[in-house]
Amino acid sequence: NAGVTQTPKFRVLKTGQSMTLLCAQDMNHEYMYWYRQDPGMGLRLIHYSVGEGTTAKGEVPDGYNVSRLKKQNFLLGLESAAPSQTSVYFCASSRGQARLYEQYFGPGTRLTVT
Amino acid sequence: DAKTTQPPSMDCAEGRAANLPCNHSTISGNEYVYWYRQIHSQGPQYIIHGLKNNETNEMASLIITEDRKSSTLILPHATLRDTAVYYCIVRASSSGSARQLTFGSGTQLTVLP
Repeated sequence: NAGVTQTPKFRVLKTGQSMTLLCAQDMNHEYMYWYRQDPGMGLRLIHYSVGEGTTAKGEVPDGYNVSRLKKQNFLLGLESAAPSQTSVYFCASSRGQARLYEQYFGPGTRLTVT
Repeated sequence: DAKTTQPPSMDCAEGRAANLPCNHSTISGNEYVYWYRQIHSQGPQYIIHGLKNNETNEMASLIITEDRKSSTLILPHATLRDTAVYYCIVRASSSGSARQLTFGSGTQLTVLP
């Protein structure tokens, strides 16, 4: 099993550009999450999904949108990138309510917005 | 959620057991202890979790004291690849909605050759 994979690994955007980050998991997990990690800030939850077709806001959702059209995929979109969105983005998944905090993470996407 | 306290750093010789302590004196009866680690420039990695019994898996062992106020993560034969920041987190298994993982400052474990 590949576990959780993320595409792309690195990206540089100019302010105002848009992009989509793709997360895929092959563990048949119900829940999926998007976090960002900034130096000295720890992980912050952007959006999450408790199942196919559902999404919910996390701690820092502004400037991002998500979609979960298929159970195995969770997409994170930036419609108009800003320098404040420079960060490392991690996707994670977990089995469901009973295993809420047993989360499996992808390798991350390093995004720089200039 | 209960607060956790970990030493900021520890060293361990390669091949020896690494024992990482965590204090969680305000833990509630329905809260589990979770351990994660993050190797530099990689995603966080789930290691193990437990409620009150000791737990072991292929990566590590978790020893929780009888009063549940502290725990120890044991890496039985540390390798250089185990050098990472280790995080102890306390969470109730079900909160009614998905909640984020919040890592504290953790323990920087350095495995020395």
